[in-house]
Amino acid sequence: GENVEQHPSTLSVQEGDSAVIKCTYSDSASNYFPWYKQELGKRPQLIIDIRSNVGEKKDQRIAVTLNKTAKHFSLHITETQPEDSAVYFCAASLFTFNKFYFGSGTKLNVKP
Amino acid sequence: GAGVSQSPSNKVTEKGKDVELRCDPISGHTALYWYRQSLGQGLEFLIYFQGNSAPDKSGLPSDRFSAERTGGSVSTLTIQRTQQEDSAVYLCASSLKTSGGANEQFFGPGTRLTVL
Repeated sequence: GENVEQHPSTLSVQEGDSAVIKCTYSDSASNYFPWYKQELGKRPQLIIDIRSNVGEKKDQRIAVTLNKTAKHFSLHITETQPEDSAVYFCAASLFTFNKFYFGSGTKLNVKP
Repeated sequence: GAGVSQSPSNKVTEKGKDVELRCDPISGHTALYWYRQSLGQGLEFLIYFQGNSAPDKSGLPSDRFSAERTGGSVSTLTIQRTQQEDSAVYLCASSLKTSGGANEQFFGPGTRLTVL
């Protein structure tokens, strides 16, 4: 089955700096890659996603890049703000199924 | 519209008792998922339903855990003879599968289970 690895497990940046979180996946049949943000005590919420027919997607300060050949995808947050502090999870989903494989999460701390 | 709801929001039980957790997915969502999240940890996959059938039960930790879904809607996760290590937040999510593959999962608020 699919295996998703996520790095780093914790990331501390200064407000205004950029943050990058990386995930790798094992099954080339995966075709949907969402990123979820979970604030303390709250439910995970989708912040951005990408499908395998696209190499990059941007939404304001957030972008995701996908390298199908290398089987890795990354979340980029620019001009970080304290409210970006949260745990971020990547996931991958196989085309023929609707099961999601989650990474282990990255705790992002943005220092004011 | 209404999102995914779960009940109860909190459950405290004694070791050895059975508990039932309920999930109401978004109307029309064919896929439903159960995850477990221990304090400060990631999302542990438990089980996934497509309609009323569960093609993947591989994440259920033991035979004390079971789940069902009826009418393609509400799902219940049952834990029998609860143990202290079952204490966690149980999250439910639903999504709509289309011909293009998977789509966004919408999570419920979770049920915080505490086993004394």
